[in-house]
Amino acid sequence: AQSVSQHNHHVILSEAASLELGCNYSYGGTVNLFWYVQYPGQHLQLLLKYFSGDPLVKGIKGFEAEFIKSKFSFNLRKPSVQWSDTAEYFCAVNADYGNNRLAFGKGNQVVVIP
Amino acid sequence: NAGVTQTPKFQVLKTGQSMTLQCAQDMNHEYMSWYRQDPGMGLRLIHYSVGAGITDQGEVPNGYNVSRSTTEDFPLRLLSAAPSQTSVYFCASRSIVGDTEAFFGQGTRLTVV
Repeated sequence: AQSVSQHNHHVILSEAASLELGCNYSYGGTVNLFWYVQYPGQHLQLLLKYFSGDPLVKGIKGFEAEFIKSKFSFNLRKPSVQWSDTAEYFCAVNADYGNNRLAFGKGNQVVVIP
Repeated sequence: NAGVTQTPKFQVLKTGQSMTLQCAQDMNHEYMSWYRQDPGMGLRLIHYSVGAGITDQGEVPNGYNVSRSTTEDFPLRLLSAAPSQTSVYFCASRSIVGDTEAFFGQGTRLTVV
């Protein structure tokens, strides 16, 4: 079964700082990759997704992620964070072998200080 | 569009009580799933279904039952609640056709005392 690793569970940074969250997965075949965001007290919302094509994916709110197949990684980046980016971020992987299960990482709790 | 609707939003149970968490989606998605979210653990898959009449276990199925009698509904049953089942539960659905993401409900915060 696929597994997803996210490091640095708690991240604290100031407004205007750059953010990069790492995501590594274990499955060696074709994968679909996602980043979800959960704002305090809310449900998960999709930030961006990768299925095929350009490995640099742009999402909502200025976020982007790069799929590097050789490194089994799908890192999330934002050049300049805002206070409103305070949230928990989850990387998820769906291996393309037919059962449609979505595996999540343990999440990154990001706090942006004004 | 309503999307994925979960009820109730909050629930307190006593140990040993049973209850059903409801999940309904109006997007005609084939795939539905239940996750529990615990601090530092991310989302863990409890059960999932790829269509009416078809269900399967995820990574943490013990203590939970599911059924899928219609495409729209995917209830999660706790037969005898335990304090270890205190968690936030999310239902999600997605289409299994094409490149689509999962859509999540608002969550149910369950406390078992």
